[in-house]
Amino acid sequence: AQSVTQLDSHVSVSEGTPVLLRCNYSSSYSPSLFWYVQHPNKGLQLLLKYTSAATLVKGINGFEAEFKKSETSFHLTKPSAHMSDAAEYFCVVSDRGNNNDMRFGAGTRLTVKP
Amino acid sequence: DAGVTQSPTHLIKTRGQQVTLRCSPKSGHDTVSWYQQALGQGPQFIFQYYEEEERQRGNFPDRFSGHQFPNYSSELNVNALLLGDSALYLCASSLAGSNQPQHFGDGTRLSIL
Repeated sequence: AQSVTQLDSHVSVSEGTPVLLRCNYSSSYSPSLFWYVQHPNKGLQLLLKYTSAATLVKGINGFEAEFKKSETSFHLTKPSAHMSDAAEYFCVVSDRGNNNDMRFGAGTRLTVKP
Repeated sequence: DAGVTQSPTHLIKTRGQQVTLRCSPKSGHDTVSWYQQALGQGPQFIFQYYEEEERQRGNFPDRFSGHQFPNYSSELNVNALLLGDSALYLCASSLAGSNQPQHFGDGTRLSIL
């Protein structure tokens, strides 16, 4: 079965500095990979998805992620953090041979300092 | 175009009671999935409905059951509530297909006293 490990439970950056949120995955099939963001007391919003096209995926709000099969990683980056980026971020893997069964990581809380 | 809507937004129950949560999918979506998100954790997959049938199920007991209606809306039922069932319950909808992203509602916060 597929699984995801988010390597940092909490990341703190200063406004205007780069963001790196790390994710490693395990999958028996060719995976689809997603990053979602969750603001307090809200549902999850899709940031970006990888589904076997280009390995560098661009998402909303300036975020992007690179699929590296050799490293089984799908790290999320942003060149310059904004205060509004403070939220919980979830990396998600879905085995394409497994009917859209999505497995979430434990989440990374991003704090942005002024 | 309404997104995924869930009701109620908050609910308080006592141990042993039963609860029903409701979800209307995003327009055009035919697949509904339910997740349980305990405080400080990532969402855990409960089950998925497509064509009014449970297509896949996570590691949850039979106390958790569901239903999908012909208009694709869905209900999650939980019987014999336990304190540990306190969580945010999220509904997500998508189009059938193995790489379609899921769109989430804002969830129902269930508190068990």
